[in-house]
Parts: sequence; C-alpha cells; structure tokens
Amino acid sequence: AQKITQTQPGMFVQEKEAVTLDCTYDTSDQSYGLFWYKQPSSGEMIFLIYQGSYDEQNATEGRYSLNFQKARKSANLVISASQLGDSAMYFCAMREGTQGGSEKLVFGKGTKLTVNP
Amino acid sequence: SAVISQKPSRDICQRGTSLTIQCQVDSQVTMMFWYRQQPGQSLTLIATANQGSEATYESGFVIDKFPISRPNLTFSTLTVSNMSPEDSSIYLCSARDSRETFYGYTFGSGTRLTVV
Repeated sequence: AQKITQTQPGMFVQEKEAVTLDCTYDTSDQSYGLFWYKQPSSGEMIFLIYQGSYDEQNATEGRYSLNFQKARKSANLVISASQLGDSAMYFCAMREGTQGGSEKLVFGKGTKLTVNP
Repeated sequence: SAVISQKPSRDICQRGTSLTIQCQVDSQVTMMFWYRQQPGQSLTLIATANQGSEATYESGFVIDKFPISRPNLTFSTLTVSNMSPEDSSIYLCSARDSRETFYGYTFGSGTRLTVV
C-alpha cells in the first residue's frame, strides 16, 4: 500500500495567487516526520519545509506553509504569492523508522506545478 | 546543513559497462542514502550506507548490481554494474547527521545516467 499519496499529477496556478498541493500519508508510528521537497527541471532536490508528528503548530517557511491535519493524516503544502520560479515538481515525503537508526525517507509520486504569468 | 558534491553530473554509457558515482560531503555525517529516480517517476531508495557497516539494501536492489562503499563519514560511492538501458535514471545521494538536531536530508545534485 502506498505510504505517501499525492493525488494531483499536475497543478496550474496564476502568478501571485496561492496554491495548495495535497499529500496524505499512512503510518502506524507515533513519531514520524513529514517533508516537502522541490525538484526543478535541473534535477536537484531542494528542501522546503518539515513538520514533526508532535508539532502542534503548522510549520511555516517564508511563502511555504504546511497544513497539518494529523487525524486526517494529511500534510498539504500551501505556496502563497506564486512566482514563475515556483514551476517544478513537488514531492511529499515521510521519514519512517527509528530516528538515527533505521530511518529513511519515503516519497510520494509528486505533483508538477506550473505557474502561469 | 551539509553540502554534497556529486559527480559525474551526467554520463552516457554503453550497455554492459559499469559507472561509479561519487558523493563528497563537506562535513561528517552518520547516514548516507542512495536513490534512483526513473524518468518521470518518484525517488526510490536503493540503500542506506552507514560508515563502518555494510550497506542496507531495499527490496528489489542487490549488492552485486549496486555495490556501495562508505570508507569514512564524508564520502560514499555507488556503482551501477553491468548496465542495461533500464538503468537509465537519475541517481541521487542524500545525507543526514543523526547527531544534529536539524532534521532535513540534504541531497546531491544528481547524476543523469543514459545507457545506450
């Protein structure tokens, strides 16, 4: 079964508008971490934002915020004031396993975001 | 967070040959990871390489095909052996130091491999 589900293969947004990229996860662990990465066409993976399972506040990093709904097991990324440079693939990922031990990142299939001028 | 230098950035190889990809980290890190990203797909973990121990491979990946070295806390290599066109992918290394409070995983810039 998929552990990270991103149901939007592609999304379009107008420049300067906000967009929400969906992510749901499946785990029985009490302690886990959720990540969002951006992958431009050049291929590198750029870390955007992190949410720990015990964090009570939603994470924010500049124009990025994470809408964390633990009971629904969702961790949606919100990008405010979209810019042309935001056009890229976006991956949601979850850290599973024992932190510092057998930990690893599991990735969703990704969402391709296109920002239109 | 650590900075990773990965090379080569891209290569075109003949089937049946092998390619070794190197990742150099600018600080000591306890954990390094190797991922494969097939065209248009997500990242799939190949193996975890911790210094001083054998690499741990994920289901579907074997040491004979993807041997990994981790001689110290700043360096690791992945070899793609006896390549076929199906091995054409982006290969990425990643690192995290479990002694640090920073929770993020840093990635190298990737190696775009084409097998002809």
